[in-house]
Amino acid sequence: DAMVIQNPRYQVTQFGKPVTLSCSQTLNHNVMYWYQQKSSQAPKLLFHYYDKDFNNEADTPDNFQSRRPNTSFCFLDIRSPGLGDAAMYLCATSRVGSGTEAFFGQGTRLTVV
Amino acid sequence: QQPVQSPQAVILREGEDAVINCSSSKALYSVHWYRQKHGEAPVFLMILLKGGEQKGHDKISASFNEKKQQSSLYLTASQLSYSGTYFCGTGGHNNNDMRFGAGTRLTVKP
Repeated sequence: DAMVIQNPRYQVTQFGKPVTLSCSQTLNHNVMYWYQQKSSQAPKLLFHYYDKDFNNEADTPDNFQSRRPNTSFCFLDIRSPGLGDAAMYLCATSRVGSGTEAFFGQGTRLTVV
Repeated sequence: QQPVQSPQAVILREGEDAVINCSSSKALYSVHWYRQKHGEAPVFLMILLKGGEQKGHDKISASFNEKKQQSSLYLTASQLSYSGTYFCGTGGHNNNDMRFGAGTRLTVKP
């Protein structure tokens, strides 16, 4: 059974048109992450939540926002997608603490046209 | 800060061995290893927590040298299914900001 679910799997959006990606988890994990992964590159951390505490990476563009209304759900909002934002977006969760693995969703592949 | 992985790519014949290295300029509290196949999400392999810890299952194992801020992943007698990109992930004390190395693309050929 999928424990971290991302919707949709594929998203096509127009240049400049706001888009929202969603992630839900059934693991009750405190920590949720959003990563951006471009072709043949490592997943790049955009931000993470520890419960409701939001932590933005210094180099995450302002164009990217996130919301976590409750433990189970987390959203990634791209306010004005550019062609350079086309990528796979991965959501992951973990319990707090250094001994815990991260569980990844299947990802949402975003195409900007 | 991202950990540094080497090599960038490895090509093996079935049955050969490989080592992938991961190092960090910051103190490491844990090292995670993941494998990602094309178009799929990363899949967890193992975590190492303590300096000197070694872990393994099947023919994949890893070591963690906390003092040197390094970890290595060992793939022994590689199988075709080992092909993929291997990432090491390192996080802070509470594992709340896990960052990945650039990845090592492993190709195992018959």
